[in-house]
Amino acid sequence: QSALTQPASVSGSPGQSITISCAGTGSDVGAYNYVSWYQQHPGKAPKLIIYDVSNRPSGISNRFSGSKSGNTASLTISGLQAEDEADYYCSSYTTGSTRLFGGGTKLTVL
Amino acid sequence: QVQLVESGGGVVQPGRSLRLSCAASGFTFSSYGMHWVRQAPGKGLEWVAVISFDETNEHYADSVKGRFTISRDNSKNTLYLQMDSLRAEDTAVYYCARWGDSGSYVYFHYWGQGTLVTVSS
Repeated sequence: QSALTQPASVSGSPGQSITISCAGTGSDVGAYNYVSWYQQHPGKAPKLIIYDVSNRPSGISNRFSGSKSGNTASLTISGLQAEDEADYYCSSYTTGSTRLFGGGTKLTVL
Repeated sequence: QVQLVESGGGVVQPGRSLRLSCAASGFTFSSYGMHWVRQAPGKGLEWVAVISFDETNEHYADSVKGRFTISRDNSKNTLYLQMDSLRAEDTAVYYCARWGDSGSYVYFHYWGQGTLVTVSS
């Protein structure tokens, strides 16, 4: 049960777009379209922003989008805003019916 | 609105036990699977365990298998995590989270605010 692989940090200026990758294996990310993404501000609980690779829950801005190719999923945030500065985590269902998280990516808005 | 409120955290010595609770409201608790997820201080999220809505299925992370037990009482709208043989590396904020309500359902849709468990002598 190794964690999914995410970059430790990414940064971008307001208005720009950034992409965070989430690399897994054929037993998790590559096996199902069950990748989800979470945003976590300091001291707060995580918040669901993308589920099942590319679906947004009600109330989540369309600036957030998700995709997947093979064993790697991606989260794209367009039109960066100061409030997007947070930690982002991917998660995947696995062939063992367990769940895995990525190590997390710290997004800095310059 | 969906509310999940964890309790039961605190300081415990290595090797001892602790039971966490998660009180649910604002939805039909008995219709949803539930998870425990933890986060060590300054670290990332780690999935701990899941239980199906009807208690027929449970799954655990390798790091806690054989030491932790997830359970639920649908009559009390409450989720539990029994933690035995605690280790220093179990120190974390423990969150309960609810399954999704559309699509695959296997994601973490709603989260509680967490309860801190510190394992230290």
